[in-house]
Amino acid sequence: SQKIEQNSEALNIQEGKTATLTCNYTNYSPAYLQWYRQDPGRGPVFLLLIRENEKEKRKERLKVTFDTTLKQSLFHITASQPADSATYLCALAPSSSNTGKLIFGQGTTLQVKP
Amino acid sequence: GAGVSQSPSNKVTEKGKDVELRCDPISGHTALYWYRQSLGQGLEFLIYFQGNSAPDKSGLPSDRFSAERTGGSVSTLTIQRTQQEDSAVYLCASSVRPATGELFFGEGSRLTVL
Repeated sequence: SQKIEQNSEALNIQEGKTATLTCNYTNYSPAYLQWYRQDPGRGPVFLLLIRENEKEKRKERLKVTFDTTLKQSLFHITASQPADSATYLCALAPSSSNTGKLIFGQGTTLQVKP
Repeated sequence: GAGVSQSPSNKVTEKGKDVELRCDPISGHTALYWYRQSLGQGLEFLIYFQGNSAPDKSGLPSDRFSAERTGGSVSTLTIQRTQQEDSAVYLCASSVRPATGELFFGEGSRLTVL
């Protein structure tokens, strides 16, 4: 069956450390993969997109890697801050679909302690 | 408007009643998506619109759910004879055109069925 999985346990780290979140998928061939941030009671906000032929993408303190062999994406936040505390969702766009429809993981909650 | 607007932000209804949820996408965005997010869960795709047509309705959970879009803009999601399991946050998103990547989400409509 097709699955996209994120660590359901909350990730707690100390301010200043690097947070690493994992997204694994099975039985999908993604055209691209995205990461979103969601704060309580709010809609998701887009952070980064990485395509199937890209290994790594960076934006300020954020870095995403994409390994199509391992079927895994890693999302890193360097020099983390308490303001980074939120739920982070990964989402993939199946290459079989041209609608832009995204399949979402269940999200990982990050808590950065001062 | 500047972003995706959804109304109502909160709706409490009794089991068996019909509800309508509204989404006003970003002006010029031709693609529109409805998702559902149950407590502690990831986003579940419901339906995709390109213009006024819905080429992908595969996520609608039952025939009690329907949606329409008029004028290539506003969309309405209707749930008939609501059930308690329909309680969730209903999120609308739009994008410039399909398969371009980033989705812009509204803040959601929280539906509670008593």
